[in-house]
Amino acid sequence: GAGVSQSPSNKVTEKGKDVELRCDPISGHTALYWYRQSLGQGLEFLIYFQGNSAPDKSGLPSDRFSAERTGGSVSTLTIQRTQQEDSAVYLCASSPPGGQADTQYFGPGTRLTVL
Amino acid sequence: DQQVKQNSPSLSVQEGRISILNCDYTNSMFDYFLWYKKYPAEGPTFLISISSIKDKNEDGRFTVFLNKSAKHLSLHIVPSQPGDSAVYFCAATGSSGTYKYIFGTGTRLKVLA
Repeated sequence: GAGVSQSPSNKVTEKGKDVELRCDPISGHTALYWYRQSLGQGLEFLIYFQGNSAPDKSGLPSDRFSAERTGGSVSTLTIQRTQQEDSAVYLCASSPPGGQADTQYFGPGTRLTVL
Repeated sequence: DQQVKQNSPSLSVQEGRISILNCDYTNSMFDYFLWYKKYPAEGPTFLISISSIKDKNEDGRFTVFLNKSAKHLSLHIVPSQPGDSAVYFCAATGSSGTYKYIFGTGTRLKVLA
């Protein structure tokens, strides 16, 4: 009964470098979400995948951010040319078919620090 | 522009007493609200929700109240227990985008034994 897992748990990088954050959703969950929480802020929606549909990328803050979901399972969030304002906790969540946010299961997050 | 506001960053309550966490919103199109609980180093977990057609929803020790005219909701925990110590987030959405939740900044609750 594994939950949503994310890796790495912590990532420290230098400004200008690219980073990849990984999310393994719960098996069978068709929906996958990425959020970020900056210091002193609420969770900010980034991107939503649902099955084979085109993802909703409307929350991505800039074109330096991209995400993909391979085979309807694992997802990778990539941040290119990282900036200090990208420092945050990045949270992934998944939900089963037909589920709404009250059935979202969150991972523990990846804490990204950009120096 | 913060559409969902939790103006109290922290709250301390004695064990056994009532904890009241508050949340205000500005968007009148919001019609579904949730509370999440988050322990350190863990992801948020769903706690309780309420639709705008109701003004109260109760689940055990947890009750959420919604005042639509005031655009205000609150979470009551009675009686509070030390294990309730966590960060609580409220979130809201309109029916047009049920997966796009707007979250507040959270309130850290500490229940003192």
